[in-house]
Amino acid sequence: DVKVTQSSRYLVKRTGEKVFLECVQDMDHENMFWYRQDPGLGLRLIYFSYDVKMKEKGDIPEGYSVSREKKERFSLILESASTNQTSMYLCASSTSGVANEKLFFGSGTQLSVL
Amino acid sequence: AQKVTQAQTEISVVEKEDVTLDCVYETRDTTYYLFWYKQPPSGELVFLIRRNSFDEQNEISGRYSWNFQKSTSSFNFTITASQVVDSAVYFCALSEPAAGNKLTFGGGTRVLVKP
Repeated sequence: DVKVTQSSRYLVKRTGEKVFLECVQDMDHENMFWYRQDPGLGLRLIYFSYDVKMKEKGDIPEGYSVSREKKERFSLILESASTNQTSMYLCASSTSGVANEKLFFGSGTQLSVL
Repeated sequence: AQKVTQAQTEISVVEKEDVTLDCVYETRDTTYYLFWYKQPPSGELVFLIRRNSFDEQNEISGRYSWNFQKSTSSFNFTITASQVVDSAVYFCALSEPAAGNKLTFGGGTRVLVKP
């Protein structure tokens, strides 16, 4: 079975802390994505990457950065966590072989910033 | 700009009832793709269907069916004879080749099926 694994299911952090959310996929996918999910707003794209060491801003990149040093791993970084970053974070991956191929998602990380 | 609207935030039905989830989208492109995903309580979104803009045929998969109407920019999803296991949040999404492999999601519709 294909798998996208997010390192933590629940995370509690303090305001101002640096936070790392890790995502690993075992499907050799080129594309990886980070979304945040908030009630009524659906999923909003934060950052994405089409290749190693490559990154592109999504719709809401402010306050976030990413790292993709290896093909299978895509990390989301909150440089200085704030309470408005309390949310569910979802990582996804897809192959680039077929245009607009479906995404495979992880189970999400529920982050609470106090 | 892309936009996907799911006007229903929550729908509650009794088991065996049919339920239809609405999805309306906006795009200026003639080539685009529409998706539906299901998010059960476990949290992981599961792909249900992808439809390209040139294929307006309706599709049926078991108890699930989809009605794509370009004239009204809608891609509605019907669950027939609902079951408790259908309880989840359902997301409609849109992508355009010109925008890369990025999905724009609607706000989601929570479906609660009561026994």
